[in-house]
Amino acid sequence: DIQMTQSPSSLSASVGVRVTITCRASQDIENFLNWYQQKPGKAPRLLISAASSLQSGVPSRFSGSGSGTDFTLTISSLQPEDFATYYCQQSYSTPPITFGQGTRLEIK
Amino acid sequence: QVQLVQSGAEVKKPGASVKVSCKASGYSLRTYVIHWVRQAPGQRLEWMGWLSAANGNTRYSQKFQGRVTITRDTSASTAYMDLSSLGSEDTAVYYCASGTTVTTLDHWGQGTLVTVAS
Repeated sequence: DIQMTQSPSSLSASVGVRVTITCRASQDIENFLNWYQQKPGKAPRLLISAASSLQSGVPSRFSGSGSGTDFTLTISSLQPEDFATYYCQQSYSTPPITFGQGTRLEIK
Repeated sequence: QVQLVQSGAEVKKPGASVKVSCKASGYSLRTYVIHWVRQAPGQRLEWMGWLSAANGNTRYSQKFQGRVTITRDTSASTAYMDLSSLGSEDTAVYYCASGTTVTTLDHWGQGTLVTVAS
């Protein structure tokens, strides 16, 4: 199975700052990488597919990049509603689909 | 508007089975892949399997092979996940999610809490 590792596992940041979350795959997954946002008690929400394709309705301050084994999710200017847990997910080699352990983004 | 509505919370005893439903509205279930993902308290998301609603084909995570069954009733626009031989480690929120392909989970249900306790 392909292992997905995110860093950091948690992050404290202030409103308005730029934040980057990293996801590393245990082997080359080309661009088969998606990003999700999950708020407490809620289902995940798809933000970005195919490493960099922003989903409809997702604010443009979110962006994704990378290919192969290393990927990043960037929030250009943090807003109060962005404080949540973020997960990466690979679908290059399935089954199984695998997720990262999550990055918890907290208010500083 | 695509919406997935899941059945309510369940409490089960060890060794029992649970069946969770996922009703789709706003689109034809036939055109989608339905995934089931679970999340134990404080843990990461864990993919269990998928079903192609068009032809009923399924693929499961090896971790759950033999214990999980995913089915669908296209006339009712509903998918089901059946998990047997429950143990305390199966206590989790179970989500269904749909996608136009197997690679992306575009829309999610609200989740169903399954608690396994004696």
